[in-house]
Amino acid sequence: EPEVTQTPSHQVTQMGQEVILRCVPISNHLYFYWYRQILGQKVEFLVSFYNNEISEKSEIFDDQFSVERPDGSNFTLKIRSTKLEDSAMYFCASSGDGQPQHFGDGTRLSIL
Amino acid sequence: DQQVKQNSPSLSVQEGRISILNCDYTNSMFDYFLWYKKYPAEGPTFLISISSIKDKNEDGRFTVFLNKSAKHLSLHIVPSQPGDSAVYFCAATGNYGGATNKLIFGTGTLLAVQP
Repeated sequence: EPEVTQTPSHQVTQMGQEVILRCVPISNHLYFYWYRQILGQKVEFLVSFYNNEISEKSEIFDDQFSVERPDGSNFTLKIRSTKLEDSAMYFCASSGDGQPQHFGDGTRLSIL
Repeated sequence: DQQVKQNSPSLSVQEGRISILNCDYTNSMFDYFLWYKKYPAEGPTFLISISSIKDKNEDGRFTVFLNKSAKHLSLHIVPSQPGDSAVYFCAATGNYGGATNKLIFGTGTLLAVQP
């Protein structure tokens, strides 16, 4: 069964550094998403992306965040200057038109 | 922001019995609801969904019931198996975008199925 794959599985970064989280969505999917889960909290929506542009973003997704689909297969989340509170599990998801979202196994981001 | 609530943080059930997981929501604009299962160190896995035009959807051992007037949905697992032990998340979305709109998640219920 096709899967959403995310790399790396764990990223450790110094505060203030830039980090890029990578995702390969399911190949025929058109909608792409990033969510995050801070330890002990809910899974929270960050951003959705369709037709090469952001469809919707949450209040969390401020100017420090950006997303890109640099080629036909990858979908990336960049955090320009990381903060301690960015430490979380980041989940990528994708979906077909009108279909449920399928999630990757996440990247654990640890900011030191 | 508690738009989707799962009031039971954990549930323990004997193998072979029914597991009932509950979810409440407050936003009347939600029109599509999903259940996801999550094992440790993995991402959420889609289980089953229901549109607001229905009150029941069944897929094998899993059935989701929707009570719109009560803003309540439940997931029934019959019979429960030890492999069902995981965290179960209820999620909701709305604005008639179907499943492609952002998902609002509950806090999850940890289900333990005892052999």
